[in-house]
Amino acid sequence: EAGVTQFPSHSVIEKGQTVTLRCDPISGHDNLYWYRRVMGKEIKFLLHFVKESKQDESGMPNNRFLAERTGGTYSTLKVQPAELEDSGVYFCASSHREQGLASYNSPLHFGNGTRLTVT
Amino acid sequence: SQKIEQNSEALNIQEGKTATLTCNYTNYSPAYLQWYRQDPGRGPVFLLLIRENEKEKRKERLKVTFDTTLKQSLFHITASQPADSATYLCALSRRVFGNEKLTFGTGTRL
Repeated sequence: EAGVTQFPSHSVIEKGQTVTLRCDPISGHDNLYWYRRVMGKEIKFLLHFVKESKQDESGMPNNRFLAERTGGTYSTLKVQPAELEDSGVYFCASSHREQGLASYNSPLHFGNGTRLTVT
Repeated sequence: SQKIEQNSEALNIQEGKTATLTCNYTNYSPAYLQWYRQDPGRGPVFLLLIRENEKEKRKERLKVTFDTTLKQSLFHITASQPADSATYLCALSRRVFGNEKLTFGTGTRL
């Protein structure tokens, strides 16, 4: 099966510009997550979609970030306007959604990330 | 605040020896813990998951232990090989199912 794909792999933009990151999850995975790693820090949760609905967006840093998943397939993460501190690697991950009282979730499948540099 | 610490930023191990990586956490009561491997320029790849009621899990040359009293997990790679060189991340979650809101450590480079 094809893995999680992210586009672009790299993006360099100036402060104040807008950037849109895209994630295509594994086909059939209802769960889609965005995570971010800023320089020298750990990977941090941003938000979680179940199909097209936002289940948890508690990790979104501020209202300059907008995530969508129209139709419950691919997702986009828009940063507008970008600031210097937004630089980092943005990871998307997907997983199969367990039905019923599963004893544990299926693990996350991560994409290779988009490296965003804001200058 | 929640904190996850992984032992040393880098660990050097001789080929054939057992590598042991440590993950300690504070102010957290995870339902389960996961270990991921990350290579440069790539996303994390899932290795093993262990639940709070499990003491040990094995998969081929990998072994994970989970001590909720000590708030610690140990990750062992036996008969280590050059191909095992990578950054290893531990990640914790409170949720039993439904949401993989993982909290990651900073990783140990092996």
